[in-house]
Amino acid sequence: AQSVAQPEDQVNVAEGNPLTVKCTYSVSGNPYLFWYVQYPNRGLQFLLKYITGDNLVKGSYGFEAEFNKSQTSFHLKKPSALVSDSALYFCAVSRYNFNKFYFGSGTKLNVKP
Amino acid sequence: KAGVTQTPRYLIKTRGQQVTLSCSPISGHRSVSWYQQTPGQGLQFLFEYFSETQRNKGNFPGRFSGRQFSNSRSEMNVSTLELGDSALYLCASLSGGTGELFFGEGSRLTVL
Repeated sequence: AQSVAQPEDQVNVAEGNPLTVKCTYSVSGNPYLFWYVQYPNRGLQFLLKYITGDNLVKGSYGFEAEFNKSQTSFHLKKPSALVSDSALYFCAVSRYNFNKFYFGSGTKLNVKP
Repeated sequence: KAGVTQTPRYLIKTRGQQVTLSCSPISGHRSVSWYQQTPGQGLQFLFEYFSETQRNKGNFPGRFSGRQFSNSRSEMNVSTLELGDSALYLCASLSGGTGELFFGEGSRLTVL
């Protein structure tokens, strides 16, 4: 069975500091991994994805994520956090045909000035 | 290109009533999926439609149903509403070539 775990309900970081939002997954076969962001009262927006190739993927708004097969992780990172990055972040995994996605429970990121 | 449109954005119902939510995907997208979002449960998959056929279904009771029309627009219906059905219902259309989901802004249902 496929599943995604986001072990932290909330992450607090000061503006200008690096941030990490953690995600681990369980999937049969090759994983297709995604990060989405949700701002208050809005739908989710795509940030980045890993399908194949380089383990470090870069996405929107300066975010990047590192795929680690041995640790089955796909942590989201940003070198320097902005207050405007404060939002709810979801990790997701899908199978090759993208007809079903499994989302983590979400991590609320708070960036303080 | 217009995004995913969901209507209505907000609605209030009472227990026992039924509700129908609508979703218009991005033009050209044939796959539409529905999710229920609640503070405690996160994002739960309801079902996915492709070319008017339900391809996948989540673990929700039969009170939750959906359909897709020939123009790819989709509706979901919840019958005999319960208090626990209060949630944000999100629709997403899939870019099959990239695997990216494009979400609407959701329909927030409150059951009293």
